[in-house]
Amino acid sequence: AQKITQTQPGMFVQEKEAVTLDCTYDTSDQSYGLFWYKQPSSGEMIFLIYQGSYDEQNATEGRYSLNFQKARKSANLVISASQLGDSAMYFCAMTRGANTDKLIFGTGTRLQVFP
Amino acid sequence: DAGVTQSPTHLIKTRGQHVTLRCSPISGHKSVSWYQQVLGQGPQFIFQYYEKEERGRGNFPDRFSARQFPNYSSELNVNALLLGDSALYLCASSFSGISTDTQYFGPGTRLTVL
Repeated sequence: AQKITQTQPGMFVQEKEAVTLDCTYDTSDQSYGLFWYKQPSSGEMIFLIYQGSYDEQNATEGRYSLNFQKARKSANLVISASQLGDSAMYFCAMTRGANTDKLIFGTGTRLQVFP
Repeated sequence: DAGVTQSPTHLIKTRGQHVTLRCSPISGHKSVSWYQQVLGQGPQFIFQYYEKEERGRGNFPDRFSARQFPNYSSELNVNALLLGDSALYLCASSFSGISTDTQYFGPGTRLTVL
C-alpha cells in the first residue's frame, strides 16, 4: 500500500535561513506524482511544488525546491530564505497510476519561523 | 480568476442530522475531489468526480455520498451524522483529474457535530 511519512512533527527556523522538511514515500508503482502543500492556520491548502516520478531534474518554484532522490524514495522540500509568513503546516502528498488524482497525504510538519 | 469556492464556511449540526456541502471548481476544471481532515491529521480522500462520473472513492461509509453537476460544481452529502464526522471538509479541483494534474483546494467547510 502507498504511504507518505513525515517524521518531523515540528521544525523551527530563523528568518532568512534555509530549512529542509523531510518526506519519504512507499510505493511499488513506477508512475507517481509527489506534491507539497502549505496549510496556514486559516485551513486552506496551498499548492507549492510538484515532482513527477520520471522527471530527472529536481523541481523548483521560486524559494521552494524539491530534493528528489528516487532510489531512497525521498522528496524533501527545501525552503530558502525563510520568511515569517512561511509559518504553517506543510504536507507531502502523492498520487499513483494515471487515471486519478487522488492524493495520499502525510501527517504534516509544523514550521515556525522566528525573527 | 476565482479559485475553488466552498459553502458554507462553518456549520454546526447535531448527531443524526444530514448535511450538504457545496463546491465550485476553478473555471475550466472538470475534476472535483473531496477530502476530510480531522484535527491534527492530514486530509483523507473521500471522492473524486470527473465529468459527472465517480472516478474514485475512499474508505468511507455509505453515509457519505457526492455528485457532480453539468457545470462541474459538486455536492458532498453526509447522512446520520456522528460526532466523529466533525472535521474540515476540503474540496479540490483539477483540469483533467489525472495523477500529473495539480489539485487546487478551496478554503474548506468546518463541520462541528454536537
